Amino acid sequence: DQQVKQNSPSLSVQEGRISILNCDYTNSMFDYFLWYKKYPAEGPTFLISISSIKDKNEDGRFTVFLNKSAKHLSLHIVPSQPGDSAVYFCAASAFGNQFYFGTGTSLTVIP
Amino acid sequence: EPEVTQTPSHQVTQMGQEVILRCVPISNHLYFYWYRQILGQKVEFLVSFYNNEISEKSEIFDDQFSVERPDGSNFTLKIRSTKLEDSAMYFCAILFVTLNTQYFGPGTRLTVL
Repeated sequence: DQQVKQNSPSLSVQEGRISILNCDYTNSMFDYFLWYKKYPAEGPTFLISISSIKDKNEDGRFTVFLNKSAKHLSLHIVPSQPGDSAVYFCAASAFGNQFYFGTGTSLTVIP
Repeated sequence: EPEVTQTPSHQVTQMGQEVILRCVPISNHLYFYWYRQILGQKVEFLVSFYNNEISEKSEIFDDQFSVERPDGSNFTLKIRSTKLEDSAMYFCAILFVTLNTQYFGPGTRLTVL
């Protein structure tokens, strides 16, 4: 039961350009969304979050957009840096319960 | 940001053996979670633990799994009789209530031979 989907397994972007990572979900009860960044053999690191009452949240180079009608969220990284190269997971939860993770998108930022 | 440590970082065991994975939050928390990630697959929820009781568990969390907080600080995941398919990275997470955000430990890599 894939409630959270990341349809792009990988993405390559030139340094300095924008990286856009996408995530779709099926459960309309989800009210809180997170993006995590993960390096190999390490735990996911929290990046940015958004609740369903907002449609945008910005933190430095990272912005998350939420389109509730389309059940879609995206993470924008501007400008992209080589250190951003990692696997990015989106996750969603309903009413503070467990988070459901997407399968991840591997981002490579090319210097 | 809350800190979470996990021990061991890597555990190799024979099929059928019991393993105990440990999670130590730096400060007191009430909500704990275990997740696992099989190589190349997504992060999967196993169980959540609140106030010394299981509050939610997935279908992965069958009778061979158990969790407890034996001394009020460590949070453990026990796998009674490991199977080859239990080989994965196991992550514990704590909930930072004010941010409604889970913070993950570095993970334990479990290899079942």
